[in-house]
Amino acid sequence: DAGITQSPRHKVTETGTPVTLRCHQTENHRYMYWYRQDPGHGLRLIHYSYGVKDTDKGEVSDGYSVSRSKTEDFLLTLESATSSQTSVYFCAIGPKTTSAADTQYFGPGTRLTVL
Amino acid sequence: GQQVMQIPQYQHVQEGEDFTTYCNSSTTLSNIQWYKQRPGGHPVFLIQLVKSGEVKKQKRLTFQFGEAKKNSSLHITATQTTDVGTYFCAGVEGGTSYGKLTFGQGTILTVHP
Repeated sequence: DAGITQSPRHKVTETGTPVTLRCHQTENHRYMYWYRQDPGHGLRLIHYSYGVKDTDKGEVSDGYSVSRSKTEDFLLTLESATSSQTSVYFCAIGPKTTSAADTQYFGPGTRLTVL
Repeated sequence: GQQVMQIPQYQHVQEGEDFTTYCNSSTTLSNIQWYKQRPGGHPVFLIQLVKSGEVKKQKRLTFQFGEAKKNSSLHITATQTTDVGTYFCAGVEGGTSYGKLTFGQGTILTVHP
């Protein structure tokens, strides 16, 4: 597996609290992604990054923000968690350059429960 | 926006039976990728198809990309219990959104021994 770690792996929090999930890679990939996975919906893109400080929204970005201050780390923040954000969150890394194959490699996931 | 539909959502088979999952996109794709997720695990890349009408094989798995580059299929011959998991297709829209995949909902495969 590609060198991708996610932290924490499990988290239980209460509605209204801020939550930050971290994705760390050691592969020097330019592209990084945050997805959420819910039954019946597959994997839905929240935000992605195509370089340091370059990010863009995915299809389900409301309620989430991201930051990427260095190549290795991509942070996902829930400013005020809601129960609808209970999900499994996957980080993925994508192409190293804009001319590389655009396959993605996924981290182990973070299971987040918002009570 | 681009939509990728995948059917069936669930498939239960007896070990040794064949299995097929289908993927259809609302737009023409530059390429399509397939991923497998074992229960409790993370998605793992299987294969990428790029050319119109392309067919690729990996042992018992056969992947096809439609002539119009809007649909794809994954066929598993003689399933084994190790094939259990969720199979996702993921498309990249032609001409735009480099590096951005749209995933289908996935097909959950159960294999009964």
